Amino acid sequence: EAQLLESGGGLVQPGGSLRLCCAVSGLTFSPYAMSWVRQAPGKGLEWVSGISGDTKTTSYADSVKGRFTVSRDNSRNTLCLQMNSLRAEDTAIYYCARALYGGHDHWGQGTLVTVSS
Amino acid sequence: QSALTQPRSVSASPGQSVTISCTGTSSDVGGYDYVSWNQQHPGKAPKLMIFDVSRRPSGVPDRFSGSKSGNTASLTISGLQAEDEADYYCCSYTGNSWVFGGGTKLTVL
Repeated sequence: EAQLLESGGGLVQPGGSLRLCCAVSGLTFSPYAMSWVRQAPGKGLEWVSGISGDTKTTSYADSVKGRFTVSRDNSRNTLCLQMNSLRAEDTAIYYCARALYGGHDHWGQGTLVTVSS
Repeated sequence: QSALTQPRSVSASPGQSVTISCTGTSSDVGGYDYVSWNQQHPGKAPKLMIFDVSRRPSGVPDRFSGSKSGNTASLTISGLQAEDEADYYCCSYTGNSWVFGGGTKLTVL
């Protein structure tokens, strides 16, 4: 059974940093792109960042560009998101998801990031 | 990277059909046959219901169907059931990223 398990969420002060990771099992990982998608409390889904299967291509939403860095380790089936200079508006549940061009077919359960003083 | 436009809410009775629209631009919905629809129940992770505009993943009932015309994609749910009550999000590939719609709350009356 496919499982995507996010970790690393928590409470952080504005301006702080946090590193999220997503461990993938029971699913083919390395050929596929992966995404991070977030959902602020009571709001909709927002695509945050993506990385190609070969790690050569990364992309970011304008709202996080220059502050967040996505990476993956195909030998460990792990996806990570380094988040720096965090702001209150970054407060959200962060999901990892396997990304096909035509849709995100497997999702984790999410990890909550709260940015507050 | 503006969000795709969806109606905030739709409603219908059990057994009826409902269609949710998703409007983008020629840079996203209109430019690629890579539109998906995700269902999300409260407190749960999203679930893929439609990908590549009109394809259903294994296990998704054929009551769910998708289509696209120009810059607008649509999700149709026929024979509505109580468990279909959820939030629905469209998503489109944009060439180097993805963009989601604002979400539509489906109420089964």
